Amino acid sequence: KAGVTQTPRYLIKTRGQQVTLSCSPISGHRSVSWYQQTPGQGLQFLFEYFSETQRNKGNFPGRFSGRQFSNSRSEMNVSTLELGDSALYLCASSLGGGQQSYEQYFGPGTRLTVT
Amino acid sequence: SQQGEEDPQALSIQEGENATMNCSYKTSINNLQWYRQNSGRGLVHLILIRSNEREKHSGRLRVTLDTSKKSSSLLITASRAADTASYFCATAPNAGNNRKLIWGLGTSLAVNP
Repeated sequence: KAGVTQTPRYLIKTRGQQVTLSCSPISGHRSVSWYQQTPGQGLQFLFEYFSETQRNKGNFPGRFSGRQFSNSRSEMNVSTLELGDSALYLCASSLGGGQQSYEQYFGPGTRLTVT
Repeated sequence: SQQGEEDPQALSIQEGENATMNCSYKTSINNLQWYRQNSGRGLVHLILIRSNEREKHSGRLRVTLDTSKKSSSLLITASRAADTASYFCATAPNAGNNRKLIWGLGTSLAVNP
């Protein structure tokens, strides 16, 4: 099976712009979670989607949003970018049931740099 | 806030030696998961240990869980250069309706040839 894919892999944006990141889960996986990873804060949970519904949300401002499509592909959007949004954004998919119950498979990430 | 805290933050060993890293957490959990991250393969799931389990093995990996001390350890035996990576523990708290994993900041392991 193909693994989790994320596009684009690298992105450079300027403050105030918006960005959309895409994630395609492993075929048959219905749960998709998004994380932000930075050296100082580690892995921070953004949100989780299951069957097109947001099932869980982390403590991020409303500038961070996401959605999931009927084919389980997911996108996350960050509006009005700030310098502090520079990070590696990771997407993970799992069979279902939620992060706690099932092994998560991670994509390679999108490295976002905000200048 | 971080639930899991890995210890040590960094570890450097020689090939063939064993590596032990620890994870402490604050609240009761359903399970605890260990992940590895390196530049080549990204973040990869290693082992999931449930709260009613005390020890689990996978190849050269051995994970223990002590719920009374709220701690877990990951032992890598006969380490190889390819084990060089960051290792994270992620805990699944069993309180409330929030069913998300809580991640530690990781232990950076360097295995020297």
